[in-house]
Amino acid sequence: EIVLTQSPGTLSLSPGERATLSCRASQSVSSSYLAWYQQKPGQAPRLLIYGASSRATGIPDRFSGSGSGTDFTLTISRLEPEDFAVYYCQQYGSSPPITFGGGTKVEIK
Amino acid sequence: QITLKESGPTLVKPTQTLTLTCTFSGFSLSTSGVGVGWIRQPPGKALEWLALIYWDDDKRYSPSLKSRLTITKDTSKNQVVLTMTNMDPVDTATYYCAHWRRDAFDIWGQGTMVTVSS
Repeated sequence: EIVLTQSPGTLSLSPGERATLSCRASQSVSSSYLAWYQQKPGQAPRLLIYGASSRATGIPDRFSGSGSGTDFTLTISRLEPEDFAVYYCQQYGSSPPITFGGGTKVEIK
Repeated sequence: QITLKESGPTLVKPTQTLTLTCTFSGFSLSTSGVGVGWIRQPPGKALEWLALIYWDDDKRYSPSLKSRLTITKDTSKNQVVLTMTNMDPVDTATYYCAHWRRDAFDIWGQGTMVTVSS
């Protein structure tokens, strides 16, 4: 079973700063099958990145994804006030087909 | 425009069976490559994937919950139904359905909160 570990658990930053979020897989994940989501309180998650590095429709270019194998990164180049939220990575594989990471909370410092 | 909406009971008793319906619009579940999945989130906790049904009726389940879950689709009604048997208080969560495409859940429903309590 592929386990996704996200770090850090909480990231305290100021608006305008750069955020770097990590997602590490217990086994190699095809880059095509790694996605990132943003979730704000009381809302459903929103897809940000699919295929490790492709932005979903309407996602600003300050969000970028990278990585391969077992190490993936979501970068927010300059934090806007609306970016403070919880971020999840998700992989699609064979067994189990889909898993989510435990999440990283980006909070205002 | 793709939309999905979950419906079902807000309160179920322990040992009962939960039946949730996802009613969607803006796409057809007979289109190649498309699927609808269910994901849940206990209060204050992370997302947990439950099940996924593909356009060709292929089905996938979370291994830890497989014995309790059934996912079905009714293409003519644009609905996907999830049943979960033997409900327990630990199953208290917000349950989401979502559109699956390009190996990710690109559109989500608003979610429905289900509480398991006697």
